[in-house]
Amino acid sequence: NAGVTQTPKFQVLKTGQSMTLQCAQDMNHNSMYWYRQDPGMGLRLIYYSASEGTTDKGEVPNGYNVSRLNKREFSLRLESAAPSQTSVYFCASTRGQGQGGTQYFGPGTRLLVL
Amino acid sequence: KQEVTQIPAALSVPEGENLVLNCSFTDSAIYNLQWFRQDPGKGLTSLLLIQSSQREQTSGRLNASLDKSSGRSTLYIAASQPGDSATYLCAVRLMDNFNKFYFGSGTKLNVKP
Repeated sequence: NAGVTQTPKFQVLKTGQSMTLQCAQDMNHNSMYWYRQDPGMGLRLIYYSASEGTTDKGEVPNGYNVSRLNKREFSLRLESAAPSQTSVYFCASTRGQGQGGTQYFGPGTRLLVL
Repeated sequence: KQEVTQIPAALSVPEGENLVLNCSFTDSAIYNLQWFRQDPGKGLTSLLLIQSSQREQTSGRLNASLDKSSGRSTLYIAASQPGDSATYLCAVRLMDNFNKFYFGSGTKLNVKP
């Protein structure tokens, strides 16, 4: 039982390049989330998926797109990376709405945009 | 919009001391509150989850309390150890949207041997 896994662990991009961050969970959770963490700002929600087939914007969605590929996988795409997107990105999951539920986090992807 | 605040931002204590970390939130209509630990360069690990109907939760040397009316939660760590050094974050989940978690910016704890 690996929990929540993320790839890659670290990435350097040039401004304007695109990339996809991958996330998978093996806990049969319904809900999945993407956050970014910046110094002194805590975690901010980018997008979430309450259940397979649905996605919704969080607090800071601009410049990002997501895909809930199936129940296990939730990817985050940067179409044209900007230096302001330099951050640590975390994926998380919970069992789902109305089920209380601890949020479980992946180890993070550290992204540097030059 | 829910605002979550953690004060102090950093705390340094000698080993063995009992300590309290604070978390305050502006919207008292919460579904639950969760405390996390984050080690440098790592993801978040859940420590304790308190449902809105509960007043406290305990796990080993950790005790978390919740006072919805005042918009506050505290994390009490007994007999602190150097291994407790980490950043501690709280997050609240609201009643009107289970799918959004609001995080504080954390308290960075250093326990000196």
